[in-house]
Amino acid sequence: DAGITQSPRHKVTETGTPVTLRCHQTENHRYMYWYRQDPGHGLRLIHYSYGVKDTDKGEVSDGYSVSRSKTEDFLLTLESATSSQTSVYFCAISDSLSGNTIYFGEGSWLTVV
Amino acid sequence: AQSVTQLDSQVPVFEEAPVELRCNYSSSVSVYLFWYVQYPNQGLQLLLKYLSGSTLVKGINGFEAEFNKSQTSFHLRKPSVHISDTAEYFCAASNYGGSQGNLIFGKGTKLSVKP
Repeated sequence: DAGITQSPRHKVTETGTPVTLRCHQTENHRYMYWYRQDPGHGLRLIHYSYGVKDTDKGEVSDGYSVSRSKTEDFLLTLESATSSQTSVYFCAISDSLSGNTIYFGEGSWLTVV
Repeated sequence: AQSVTQLDSQVPVFEEAPVELRCNYSSSVSVYLFWYVQYPNQGLQLLLKYLSGSTLVKGINGFEAEFNKSQTSFHLRKPSVHISDTAEYFCAASNYGGSQGNLIFGKGTKLSVKP
């Protein structure tokens, strides 16, 4: 298994509160990604990073911000959580933008009530 | 714009029967194609991928897929399924040499293997 650790694995939070999800990798891969998975939508890219302090938006970035201060850590922040952000969030890593395998973490289940 | 369509949301099949999970993609450029499997409450695991070369790709757990450029398809097959193959399967594509790290996923196919 790829060395990817997501935390927390499960969280329930209230609408309007800030939430940060953490992804930690031990593979020294350059690229890191945050996806969300919702029934009927598959996985959709939120943000990705191609190096320390280098990030870019994905398909569904509204309401989310990210930061990468170290190669091994990629944080996803919901500044003010909404019920529409209830989802399963997956961190992923790869050592190439395309072609090479993307490895996924175990997921973080977030419920916004 | 690139898109990936999985033609069946659910596929029920009996144990030891063959199965085909269908995937079509649309892209104006060359693509890399992937199949991932997700077991309940777990992350996604790569089954196989097509980058170039032979159009028949073999993966883990006895799965294989065939890239068909003229039909823009990448269907996943297994000649004889087991109960343990029950999972959700995702087809995905990324542009060759793409400037964005955007792996486009289909919406998934739930394979249910019955005894």
